[in-house]
Amino acid sequence: GESVGLHLPTLSVQEGDNSIINCAYSNSASDYFIWYKQESGKGPQFIIDIRSNMDKRQGQRVTVLLNKTVKHLSLQIAATQPGDSAVYFCAEPKGGKLIFGQGTELSVKP
Amino acid sequence: DGGITQSPKYLFRKEGQNVTLSCEQNLNHDAMYWYRQDPGQGLRLIYYSQIVNDFQKGDIAEGYSVSREKKESFPLTVTSAQKNPTAFYLCATQDRGYSNYGYTFGSGTRLTVV
Repeated sequence: GESVGLHLPTLSVQEGDNSIINCAYSNSASDYFIWYKQESGKGPQFIIDIRSNMDKRQGQRVTVLLNKTVKHLSLQIAATQPGDSAVYFCAEPKGGKLIFGQGTELSVKP
Repeated sequence: DGGITQSPKYLFRKEGQNVTLSCEQNLNHDAMYWYRQDPGQGLRLIYYSQIVNDFQKGDIAEGYSVSREKKESFPLTVTSAQKNPTAFYLCATQDRGYSNYGYTFGSGTRLTVV
């Protein structure tokens, strides 16, 4: 079964605000996570990844935080823009496969 | 998208028919994958292939079949045994040399049973 899962199916934020999308995992031995963005009718696109030897990793307007104690990771999007509207997935490679969580749909209000 | 071509973009199937979804890549990646996505759901693995002439079942392989005769191609056949085939199908490739596991996704095929 799945080893990663997202907390909320939908998230609505005001343009310009920061967005936080959460994900929990069950296996304490998990050592690598990937965040994907999927726009409507398209395939997922890589956003950012993080290994378990890190607590935080920053990209362009995105930050991923990893809390190994509670087995939780989050994706933070700064100054959310309309183009950020999409479904966001956390994923974990496992046994040569990529296991996806359910996804959170982010809606940005103008 | 990113060197992966999925065709057709939209496909309609009558009940009882087999249909084949195409996935072609020019990325020279060894591994290829097929995922199914239902509305409001995550991606579920159908089949995957690490090398030519070899493939393994994923979590929901029943009612599906694949072949991997060429490195560039990994077609998925949705057979009449698949009772609920209406879904969005995504093909992906992987280059294991990259730190982000090098997954690249195609733009998908939306299959509808009519």
